[in-house]
Amino acid sequence: QKEVEQDPGPLSVPEGAIVSLNCTYSNSAFQYFMWYRQYSRKGPELLMYTYSSGNKEDGRFTAQVDKSSKYISLFIRDSQPSDSATYLCATNLLSGGYNKLIFGAGTRLAVHP
Amino acid sequence: DGGITQSPKYLFRKEGQNVTLSCEQNLNHDAMYWYRQDPGQGLRLIYYSQIVNDFQKGDIAEGYSVSREKKESFPLTVTSAQKNPTAFYLCASSDRGSSYNSPLHFGNGTRLTVT
Repeated sequence: QKEVEQDPGPLSVPEGAIVSLNCTYSNSAFQYFMWYRQYSRKGPELLMYTYSSGNKEDGRFTAQVDKSSKYISLFIRDSQPSDSATYLCATNLLSGGYNKLIFGAGTRLAVHP
Repeated sequence: DGGITQSPKYLFRKEGQNVTLSCEQNLNHDAMYWYRQDPGQGLRLIYYSQIVNDFQKGDIAEGYSVSREKKESFPLTVTSAQKNPTAFYLCASSDRGSSYNSPLHFGNGTRLTVT
């Protein structure tokens, strides 16, 4: 079993739709949860970063963490064609003083006009 | 503008040749990382360095080597011992000094094709 599971998609939605992207993880020791966005042929860029269970909102984006069920979500409201990208969830584990990030496989999202 | 520069963007090599991928950062970050990305897989850690002149193997270090002689530079050499070198390689850095939970900043990658 992978430590972080993420449906690779692709997910195709019309402009304006609400998008839900999800990941599950296996280790309750994971503390921090991140979402990265990666455009084609580019490096990932940090989108959202959260620690506790609950919701964190930033503009059209909401990150949600449910530690009891080991489930993390990213919601995108009023999706735009510019949101078309691969979204990677990630979590971290402190190991020997080193902050080890563990990534999901990424979900490819296409928002069509 | 602060950031991470990877070069070249595309690299082609013949099987059996070593090749070195460049990574330079001007973010004054202590920690630097190399990841490999393959279709349908998450990013996998090759090597990381928390400080100059020190580096550690990640999850898939076999067939790779690195050096960290300067804070801003962390080149990766893909040797002929790497069985499947064709991949997208990403360099990243983080500010280890401020928090162990600092997020990673990535470069725009080098796509290596070995034939």
